[in-house]
Amino acid sequence: NAGVMQNPRHLVRRRGQEARLRCSPMKGHSHVYWYRQLPEEGLKFMVYLQKENIIDESGMPKERFSAEFPKEGPSILRIQQVVRGDSAAYFCASSPKTMNTEAFFGQGTRLTVV
Amino acid sequence: DQQVKQNSPSLSVQEGRISILNCDYTNSMFDYFLWYKKYPAEGPTFLISISSIKDKNEDGRFTVFLNKSAKHLSLHIVPSQPGDSAVYFCAASGDYGGATNKLIFGTGTLLAVQP
Repeated sequence: NAGVMQNPRHLVRRRGQEARLRCSPMKGHSHVYWYRQLPEEGLKFMVYLQKENIIDESGMPKERFSAEFPKEGPSILRIQQVVRGDSAAYFCASSPKTMNTEAFFGQGTRLTVV
Repeated sequence: DQQVKQNSPSLSVQEGRISILNCDYTNSMFDYFLWYKKYPAEGPTFLISISSIKDKNEDGRFTVFLNKSAKHLSLHIVPSQPGDSAVYFCAASGDYGGATNKLIFGTGTLLAVQP
């Protein structure tokens, strides 16, 4: 049973370009979370999705960031017109249910904006 | 507003001794607590969890203690091993506001176990 798969592992974008980060949850998991870790900081919640629905996007910047979890295929975190401050490690996690359960994390995507 | 706090950014322990990592929280709606371990350039790995109906949960060398009145939890690792050297994150979740069960993380404690 493969774990949470994120790709790419490393992504370099120039300022103003778009970044697309992909996350395939563990088999049987329908809950996906995205977190961001800035240098020297902890993990900050961004968005929580179930299939085809955004449940909680309270941690997502209002502009340039969007997320989706389609019926088929991976969850996508999209960052438009990237800026240097978007450079961070982005982690995806999945869980089999919503309450009182651990979430399993992927290896992360390290985004560098140059 | 940091709802989950790990006030010690780092901890150094001798191999074979006990490591105690601490975590405080402010939101009384949290009812499930977890510890994750993270190596550099890897994703966090789940270690152990505890529900608010318990005050202790043990799994091998790892024990988590929960003091609800003090809004405090701790992770004990005994005996500590060099391979335990990593960043440890405390996380909490709860049915707050009915919107989500997202995990809220602390800022982490870097544990160094000296051989």
